[in-house]
This record gives sequence, C-alpha cells and structure tokens, in this order.
Amino acid sequence: GIQVEQSPPDLILQEGANSTLRCNFSDSVNNLQWFHQNPWGQLINLFYIPSGTKQNGRLSATTVATERYSLLYISSSQTTDSGVYFCAVDLSGTYKYIFGTGTRLKVLA
Amino acid sequence: DAEITQSPRHKITETGRQVTLACHQTWNHNNMFWYRQDLGHGLRLIHYSYGVQDTNKGEVSDGYSVSRSNTEDLPLTLESAASSQTSVYFCASSGSGSLNEQFFGPGTRLTVL
Repeated sequence: GIQVEQSPPDLILQEGANSTLRCNFSDSVNNLQWFHQNPWGQLINLFYIPSGTKQNGRLSATTVATERYSLLYISSSQTTDSGVYFCAVDLSGTYKYIFGTGTRLKVLA
Repeated sequence: DAEITQSPRHKITETGRQVTLACHQTWNHNNMFWYRQDLGHGLRLIHYSYGVQDTNKGEVSDGYSVSRSNTEDLPLTLESAASSQTSVYFCASSGSGSLNEQFFGPGTRLTVL
C-alpha cells in the first residue's frame, strides 16, 4: 500500500526560528492535507493542497505531486506552534486519507 | 457554523462491554470516517461511509461496527470492548469531488479496563 513518510520525526526550535517539515509519499495521490494537532489533541486543518503553493500567515505549504512530496514551512515560530504536524494523502478517487506518523515540534520561549 | 461533534469526550468501560461512540456533523457531508490514534501509529482508519446505508471496513476494523441511517450521524460500536481498544477515537467528514477536505471532531478518549 501507499507509504507516507514525514521528516524529521522530532524538532525543537527556539522561538522566532524558521523550519521546514517534509512529507514524502510513495504513490499517486489525489489530494493532500496538512494538520496541526495541538497539545490538547485537537486536529486543526492547515492546508488542503493537492499541488502548488499556499500561504496562510506565517505558514506556507508546497506540494509537488509529480515528485511525490510536500513541504510545510513555519516562519518566526511561536510557542503556540508546538504540537504534532501530520500530512495526509488521499488515494485517488477514494476520499480516504492515509496519515503519516507526524513531526513533533516543540518551540521554546 | 458547521461542525463535527463527538460524545462522550471521555469514557471508561470494562472488558466485554458494548460501547457506542457518537459522531454528528452539520456539514451535510456525504463521507464520514472513524480513526483511532495510538502512540507510534498515527491515525488509522477503522470504518468509513460514503452515504446513507453505505459502510466500509478500513485498515483496523476488527471488533468495530458502524451504521449510517442518516447523513449527519455515524455511530461507532465496539461490540465487546477489549483492552487493546483503549485509544483516542476521531470522527471526520468530507464532501465529494474536489471538495474532499476532511474535517475532524474533537475526539473521544476511551479506556477499557
């Protein structure tokens, strides 16, 4: 089946630093989402990005579907960015998302 | 605003008991999903539904069942709870076609003693 790999698995940053999270997938996908799971466990939608680049404030994402990867950029990180970041890919035509194992981010004040 | 709600938010039960977790969405989405989240495994798909009267097994469906009698609800039933089913359960929904962004409920933390 399709494999979704995220890197790095863990990341510690000082407040104000920038970071890049990566999601690689092993097969063709129809869609891709990025989520942030906050320390209270809530899954928050960040980007719905099957291809191209999107930006939302300090966060941006790029998906290159032909090369089977997506990147999430966090600039000027804040302590509230802490949590786990998941990418999830949709198998073509099924509406089912397969989740990566996540990148755990800790931002220090 | 449209939303997905789950109840209860926390549940403790005993091995062998039947447990039902509720999921209700007001997005009017056709597609609904149940996932479980365990340390080291991320989110794994249990069951899903593409519409009323439609249900399908996911990756980890053994010991679970769902039913879809209307658009808004997809209850998840653990027929005979086992300690291995201690987990956090998330419900999600999405539209169809190009509108298949998934939205998640707040989760239910289930402990089976």
